[in-house]
Amino acid sequence: DAKTTQPPSMDCAEGRAANLPCNHSTISGNEYVYWYRQIHSQGPQYIIHGLKNNETNEMASLIITEDRKSSTLILPHATLRDTAVYYCIVRVASWDTGNQFYFGTGTSLTVIP
Amino acid sequence: DSGVTQTPKHLITATGQRVTLRCSPRSGDLSVYWYQQSLDQGLQFLIQYYNGEERAKGNILERFSAQQFPDLHSELNLSSLELGDSALYFCASSVGPLYLETQYFGPGTRLLVL
Repeated sequence: DAKTTQPPSMDCAEGRAANLPCNHSTISGNEYVYWYRQIHSQGPQYIIHGLKNNETNEMASLIITEDRKSSTLILPHATLRDTAVYYCIVRVASWDTGNQFYFGTGTSLTVIP
Repeated sequence: DSGVTQTPKHLITATGQRVTLRCSPRSGDLSVYWYQQSLDQGLQFLIQYYNGEERAKGNILERFSAQQFPDLHSELNLSSLELGDSALYFCASSVGPLYLETQYFGPGTRLLVL
């Protein structure tokens, strides 16, 4: 699976949009981009995933560049409860390897009041 | 609440002992995954079961084993425990074995080996 690079930490003011970048320059055509977050030792929580097109759900938006070498997770109106470690994962699922996720070190987002 | 349950929530034991962690997947999910999260190594994939069969193996030690039962719950057995096995152990589940499988994580079991 392609590796991802994320900044180790970021701050965001409460109520503002949080934009979390992720580089995945070696991504291949059949690899999806997933975002999970982990709030203080709780189980990781699924946020969103995409392949080529931008995606939006009730939690966040995912913007994937046209060359797919990077993506940005956007939390439109960050709240204190969004303080967490955010993991960007690039994953291809195959019958040979099952569905493993490599979580990496993620970005620790702190939402500031 | 993800719908995945794990027991126990906390476990304290001594070196050399054996423990069993239990996981019940979300209703309808056939895949179960086990992860270990320690302070120095982040979240590490251990093993995946799909409908009772081992599907994928990650960084699982030989002292560790897992199984998935006909009712789809899974158990992770850790034996000959060492201090370094102290960690959070997460179980996750998904509908199928792969493809667009979102994994839903349980609350974890915190293991402390003294």
